[in-house]
Amino acid sequence: GDSVTQMEGPVTLSEEAFLTINCTYTATGYPSLFWYVQYPGEGLQLLLKATKADDKGSNKGFEATYRKETTSFHLEKGSVQVSDSAVYFCALSTGYSSASKIIFGSGTRLSIRP
Amino acid sequence: GAGVSQSPRYKVAKRGQDVALRCDPISGHVSLFWYQQALGQGPEFLTYFQNEAQLDKSGLPSDRFFAERPEGSVSTLKIQRTQQEDSAVYLCASSLYPDSGNTIYFGEGSWLTVV
Repeated sequence: GDSVTQMEGPVTLSEEAFLTINCTYTATGYPSLFWYVQYPGEGLQLLLKATKADDKGSNKGFEATYRKETTSFHLEKGSVQVSDSAVYFCALSTGYSSASKIIFGSGTRLSIRP
Repeated sequence: GAGVSQSPRYKVAKRGQDVALRCDPISGHVSLFWYQQALGQGPEFLTYFQNEAQLDKSGLPSDRFFAERPEGSVSTLKIQRTQQEDSAVYLCASSLYPDSGNTIYFGEGSWLTVV
């Protein structure tokens, strides 16, 4: 079945460090790919998405490129801030006119030191 | 409202008790999802509604779990005879259309603890 595998955490970085969180997926068909973020005490929020191969999603300085050949959607940010501390979930969705449920990875907790 | 609203935010239930969790999706959203998130895990799909029709209930873990959306807006997730393994955050989400690229908006969740 469809699945998402992401880098296990926790990940601890210093402020202004470069961030990569790895994500790979297994899916039949052509999934849409997402990164969701869960800040402490808040609900899941969509961070960015890409709906087809080679698309790059970006938001708040984060980027991820849909790589069909490596079935990957790694999350990157050039210079992290303390406010980026959160849990990050890679996810995929398949289906078009029918129900398109999202399948999530297990999450990566990110902590940024000042 | 502006976002997906869930109630109660926190619920402590004694084992064997029935609970009902409510979700108010974003107004006009056709699709509604329920997810279960255990501590330290990613959300797991439970069920999906398109308007009032429950099109997918493949993720419901047992027949103790039941969900409804009778008028195509508010939804209720009911858990009968709760057990300790039901302790989790229950997330509701909605999207405007049932398309894989459509943004899905999540509520803050209902935290259920079964003691």
